[in-house]
Parts: sequence; C-alpha cells; structure tokens
Amino acid sequence: GQQVMQIPQYQHVQEGEDFTTYCNSSTTLSNIQWYKQRPGGHPVFLIQLVKSGEVKKQKRLTFQFGEAKKNSSLHITATQTTDVGTYFCAHNPTGGGNKLTFGTGTQLKVEL
Amino acid sequence: EAGVAQSPRYKIIEKRQSVAFWCNPISGHATLYWYQQILGQGPKLLIQFQNNGVVDDSQLPKDRFSAERLKGVDSTLKIQPAKLEDSAVYLCASSPSGRPYNEQFFGPGTRLTVL
Repeated sequence: GQQVMQIPQYQHVQEGEDFTTYCNSSTTLSNIQWYKQRPGGHPVFLIQLVKSGEVKKQKRLTFQFGEAKKNSSLHITATQTTDVGTYFCAHNPTGGGNKLTFGTGTQLKVEL
Repeated sequence: EAGVAQSPRYKIIEKRQSVAFWCNPISGHATLYWYQQILGQGPKLLIQFQNNGVVDDSQLPKDRFSAERLKGVDSTLKIQPAKLEDSAVYLCASSPSGRPYNEQFFGPGTRLTVL
C-alpha cells in the first residue's frame, strides 16, 4: 500500500519557537489530511489538501502539499503549550474510497 | 451536535478472554470505521462500514476479531479470544457520505489492556 513516513518522530521546542513536521510518500497521493491528537485524546481533523502545490493557513498553522503531491508539511509559528500533541498526516489510498491510511506521526512537546 | 460515543472507556482483561466495544456515530453519518491504535503509532483501520454493509475489512484479524453494524447506526467490535498484542486503543470514527475524501470524526476510544 501507499505508506507515508513522517519526520521527525519527536520534537521538543521552547515556547515561541517554530515547528515543522514533514510527511513523505514514494508515490503520488490523492490528498492529505492532517490530524492532531492531544496526549490521552483522540485524533481531531485539522485540514485537507487536495491540489498540487496547495497552501492553507489556520492562524499560526500553515499546511502545504507538494507540487508532485508526494509530500506535505505542517508548520507552526511561535508554538504555544496548547500545541502539544502528536500530529498525523493521513491520506485516502487510490481506489480506497474514504479509507484513511495514517502516517507515523510527530510528537511535539513545548517547554516554557 | 453530539460527537461519536464509545464505551467502555477502559477495559482490562486476561488473555484468552473475550471483550466487546460499542460505538454510536454522529447522527446521519453513513460511514463508520474502527481503528486500532497501538501506543506510539498512528491509527490502523480495522474495518469500514457504509450503512450496514462492510466496505473494507482487509486488515481485520478475522480469526479473532468481528464487527457488526446491523441497523446501520451503532456498531460493536468483538475480540475473542484476546491476545497480549491486542492491547491498544480502539477508536471508532464516522464520516458523512456523498463526497470523496471526507474528514473523519473520532470518538474518545476504548483503551484495552490484555494481561
């Protein structure tokens, strides 16, 4: 199947620093969805990217979909303690309907 | 709008015992999913229902796992008999139908510990 790898696996930042997580695939993806999972919580949908080169922003979060639709990134500007959690990218495999395959996740810790 | 409901929230059993989880999706959502999330990993799809029919169960260990959604609303997932490696959080999610690539809404999950 279409596997997606995320890097880094873990990231510790000081509050106010920026953070970026990358999602990479060896094959072209139909779409990318990003989810956030707080410690002890469940995944919560953040955004979906469908078009090549698409960029979307949500306040301090910027999401990008690569031109070749093989990679995506999530960038957080000036992290806050509320940003703590694990960020997962996910995609719908080709021909898989609405089935989601999740990436390996990046765990973000923010220190004061 | 009420979210996805799951019960129980926690369950501890011994290996070879049976366990069942229940999920009630968001009202009107035709598609229901069960995921297994092992600690430190992303959720892995076990089974997907569209109304009361199975769309994908390719990753469901059918020798011990079963799931049903008889009336196309709530769903149960059963493990019989449980193994140590089944310790995980079992997440239920739902999504509306009618357009491709819908976002999924997750329930709080059931944390299963098999001793």
